Amino acid sequence: GAGVSQSPSNKVTEKGKDVELRCDPISGHTALYWYRQSLGQGLEFLIYFQGNSAPDKSGLPSDRFSAERTGGSVSTLTIQRTQQEDSAVYLCASSSKTGLYGYTFGSGTRLTVV
Amino acid sequence: AQTVTQSQPEMSVQEAETVTLSCTYDTSESDYYLFWYKQPPSRQMILVIRQEAYKQQNATENRFSVNFQKAAKSFSLKISDSQLGDAAMYFCARGRSNFGNEKLTFGTGTRLTIIP
Repeated sequence: GAGVSQSPSNKVTEKGKDVELRCDPISGHTALYWYRQSLGQGLEFLIYFQGNSAPDKSGLPSDRFSAERTGGSVSTLTIQRTQQEDSAVYLCASSSKTGLYGYTFGSGTRLTVV
Repeated sequence: AQTVTQSQPEMSVQEAETVTLSCTYDTSESDYYLFWYKQPPSRQMILVIRQEAYKQQNATENRFSVNFQKAAKSFSLKISDSQLGDAAMYFCARGRSNFGNEKLTFGTGTRLTIIP
């Protein structure tokens, strides 16, 4: 696609429910990143996929968070048993080779846990 | 933890004037990359400018330029001839240079307001 597409744009869920956030990167981009942006905070790294390599999951805050990338393209971030502190904007980005030339970001998913 | 610090939560500037946003960072590496990103209300982060630490020359992109002081670990963004469309959150970020680990560390952002 022309840009990084994220869905849904906004999601309200009840505490304890599972949610799935989707990211469709730019076609041909081998690297894909998930970041979390809490209110008044910077972006917090969650997970990084590069080609067929094992993902860097070092930023996932708990085992309730997981992500996968199917066929080297679309990625899904899953949050199980959501908590109120999970409320944030979840941003996805992709890059053609390495992120050191700058990412292309999506518009994010605003998750609200009530 | 290696951090990126933006000490100005909010800044404002008159339209057509010049404003400088501050950023300092912490790193033990000699080679790394620095970025400024802009986030308008649409939430999409847009790359403004990029600097490679091994280059002494300051990066410039049209009205945007940086003042990179490697020894001081400072990376400020100067916006000249400010325009209404420059109003946004601005984030400074640092990336490591070793291939295979390109996650960025971001500061907490500076909200820039343009006064007409």
